[in-house]
Amino acid sequence: KQEVTQIPAALSVPEGENLVLNCSFTDSAIYNLQWFRQDPGKGLTSLLLIQSSQREQTSGRLNASLDKSSGRSTLYIAASQPGDSATYLCAVREAGANSKLTFGKGITLSVRP
Amino acid sequence: GAVVSQHPSWVICKSGTSVKIECRSLDFQATTMFWYRQFPKQSLMLMATSNEGSKATYEQGVEKDKFLINHASLTLSTLTVTSAHPEDSSFYICSAKRGGDSPLHFGNGTRLTVT
Repeated sequence: KQEVTQIPAALSVPEGENLVLNCSFTDSAIYNLQWFRQDPGKGLTSLLLIQSSQREQTSGRLNASLDKSSGRSTLYIAASQPGDSATYLCAVREAGANSKLTFGKGITLSVRP
Repeated sequence: GAVVSQHPSWVICKSGTSVKIECRSLDFQATTMFWYRQFPKQSLMLMATSNEGSKATYEQGVEKDKFLINHASLTLSTLTVTSAHPEDSSFYICSAKRGGDSPLHFGNGTRLTVT
């Protein structure tokens, strides 16, 4: 059974700092890995999706990396801003037509002005 | 494109009543829809997977008679929480995808409070 772990559960940083959010998973036989953002009481916004054959994806100030063999992914946020404050969820997708996502518990990020 | 609409966004109901939540794919045909539940400070937990026109597949520990899922068309799936109790209070989120290994698209969630 796939398990996804995100540590720490919460993180507080000053504005402008570069930061790394970590995600680990137990079963390396994944189809892809996805990072989401969730604001309080809201749904999910997809940030980056990395296919199992890829090593990283970039979008603006965000960069996600994937090391499938070691079961790890990182989300790098450059020059953090207060608007980046949210919960960041990592999810892995199994292979298969009806493949499901297994989510981590998320990391709640607070960027202080 | 690929918008998933979930309704209502929040609902309060009395214990013992039933509540229906809708999940619609607005601009694509969703062969498969997934229903998740999220408790405060917890991860999203998959409840069930539904394919259009067939019975939903429930995850272990999810009562299929309590959480009724209908996926009668390629653009609509519904989750009905029957005889709701306070412990059913949670955030319910749906996701939808086209066939095969296409990307998943999420609704904005429904906050259910049972009093």
